[in-house]
Amino acid sequence: GQNIDQPTEMTATEGAIVQINCTYQTSGFNGLFWYQQHAGEAPTFLSYNVLDGLEEKGRFSSFLSRSKGYSYLLLKELQMKDSASYLCAVRDYRGYSTLTFGKGTMLLVSP
Amino acid sequence: DTEVTQTPKHLVMGMTNKKSLKCEQHMGHRAMYWYKQKAKKPPELMFVYSYEKLSINESVPSRFSPECPNSSLLNLHLHALQPEDSALYLCASSQYRDSNNEQFFGPGTRLTVL
Repeated sequence: GQNIDQPTEMTATEGAIVQINCTYQTSGFNGLFWYQQHAGEAPTFLSYNVLDGLEEKGRFSSFLSRSKGYSYLLLKELQMKDSASYLCAVRDYRGYSTLTFGKGTMLLVSP
Repeated sequence: DTEVTQTPKHLVMGMTNKKSLKCEQHMGHRAMYWYKQKAKKPPELMFVYSYEKLSINESVPSRFSPECPNSSLLNLHLHALQPEDSALYLCASSQYRDSNNEQFFGPGTRLTVL
């Protein structure tokens, strides 16, 4: 099985930088995804890491350390529309690939 | 077209009703998924179809019956549901089941069972 841990809630101010951490324990690790989900909407893909290091995509970056079972999502120049739930999802391979989501981190951006 | 569509958006049904949820994608993806998401919880995988064949059933009760009529369509047939089955049902697709590509999610069907 998998154990994925993220903070439940975070708050930040418009224009600031915030880092959302995710730790996981799994066998057969085969990649980690970050998704954004606004209330009542579908999750939308933000980033994917399978090798150690930093992936940068505009205002969003994601980091992975496989030896530590650790990832973070970094959001820069926060905007009000970034208020959403951020889901860390781990794919593991056990004869087939499945995606397991963490409980999500609710980020509230205030003016 | 990078969209997964789902119908209906909302569904209210009684415990004795039979209804179906529909999902469609035209991205040429060969893997399609059903997830269930309760309020303030993460999506939980229910079924995975790969090349129109059911490859994963995550111990879902038989009152949920998936069907994949062709590579673009995925249905979820509902019968004799319980109030605790009320949730957002999300469909997703990816290029292949075991690839590094992300899953694209549809907007979901919000189901209420009375």
